[in-house]
Amino acid sequence: DAKTTQPPSMDCAEGRAANLPCNHSTISGNEYVYWYRQIHSQGPQYIIHGLKNNETNEMASLIITEDRKSSTLILPHATLRDTAVYYCIVRVGDDKIIFGKGTRLHILP
Amino acid sequence: DSGVTQTPKHLITATGQRVTLRCSPRSGDLSVYWYQQSLDQGLQFLIQYYNGEERAKGNILERFSAQQFPDLHSELNLSSLELGDSALYFCASSPSLRGRAFFGQGTRLTVV
Repeated sequence: DAKTTQPPSMDCAEGRAANLPCNHSTISGNEYVYWYRQIHSQGPQYIIHGLKNNETNEMASLIITEDRKSSTLILPHATLRDTAVYYCIVRVGDDKIIFGKGTRLHILP
Repeated sequence: DSGVTQTPKHLITATGQRVTLRCSPRSGDLSVYWYQQSLDQGLQFLIQYYNGEERAKGNILERFSAQQFPDLHSELNLSSLELGDSALYFCASSPSLRGRAFFGQGTRLTVV
């Protein structure tokens, strides 16, 4: 079973920052937080991952709270192409990847 | 392009038949995952292989089997097909047991 809780859907205006929350209150010390997204039946795409420090790459930023019980994925300037289902996953380094229901993000023009 | 190749892209077959889905991982990736996604459903983990050995099993039916070959490509065999097996089947690969996975574009299986 997925170990994360995400809102089923969110809206964000184009050009604004999209902040997607994820709760993982039972996360253990050696579990990483991963984010993937799936754009309309395409193969899921890796976005970012982290253990306890905040991370940033060319796609997004990941903010993990100090107690590691929740995190936020930030898409700094959302575009229509960011409309997708976003999955937050907690995973031990060599564990299988289990997807939950994710958040369906709608970018509004 | 993730570098993971799945064939065929589309497959239509009749109930009771058997099909084989193929996955070529990214060059050098040792780990392969298989997932099933039914219409408007989530991604269900089926099975994971690492360097030819089964590593983890999910909700994979007994009618389904998989293997990873010495050249690291993988095949998912689905037999005695039922209408409910109609779905997108995704393969993913990663360099090791750790780190991010790269997904193929899927095989859309339709059972009629």
